[in-house]
Amino acid sequence: QLQLQQSGPGLVKPSQTLSLTCAISGDSVSSNTATWNWIRQSPSRGPEWLGRTFYRSTWIYNYAPSVKGRIIITPDSSKNHFSLQLNSVTPEDTALYYCVRELAGGQWPPDWGQGTLVTVSS
Amino acid sequence: QTVVTQEPSLTVSPGVTVTFTCSSSTGPVTSIYFPNWFQQKSGQAPRALIYSTNKKHSWTPVRFSGSLLGGKAALTLSSVQPEDEADYYCLVYYEDVWVFGGGTKLTVL
Repeated sequence: QLQLQQSGPGLVKPSQTLSLTCAISGDSVSSNTATWNWIRQSPSRGPEWLGRTFYRSTWIYNYAPSVKGRIIITPDSSKNHFSLQLNSVTPEDTALYYCVRELAGGQWPPDWGQGTLVTVSS
Repeated sequence: QTVVTQEPSLTVSPGVTVTFTCSSSTGPVTSIYFPNWFQQKSGQAPRALIYSTNKKHSWTPVRFSGSLLGGKAALTLSSVQPEDEADYYCLVYYEDVWVFGGGTKLTVL
């Protein structure tokens, strides 16, 4: 059974970097049938897909245009986790951040991390 | 950037059939967009009901179904129950990016 365990600070100052890690158990970050995503949801707003990484003979990275240039998702096979780095944050980046597994065929089973509320404030 | 549009809100009575739609600024939604539908209840993470247009997960109630309708992805909910009151989001795939719709708030009165 898949478990995704998120870790990282809940408070980040404006202009600094948001960093979160998602530890995977029950699957491999190097799986050929899964992709590893970050999704966030601002208070009272809908979810926003931020980006993903996956391994298909080489590592692939896809990012949402809204955060491209500020976001880096990094897999770590040795630790079986993947991380989110979002640079130059502003209060608009305040949200509940989730790591999520997607399976082949565009399937999104309920494989979500527990969520991390990140507040951007001085 | 792709914009995905849904009805902001729908209000229905129990027992009726309601249809949610999902359109894309890039053009007609087709199966290659792998449309997904999520339900989100208060305080919970979104939970997928439908994937790849019309495929159901094992936990998806029979009364939910997905389709393509007039260039849009559609989620039809038959015989609405009070417990179906929630926010519903579509998620589509376009040019290596997933995009959520703005969501539809379903109220059951």
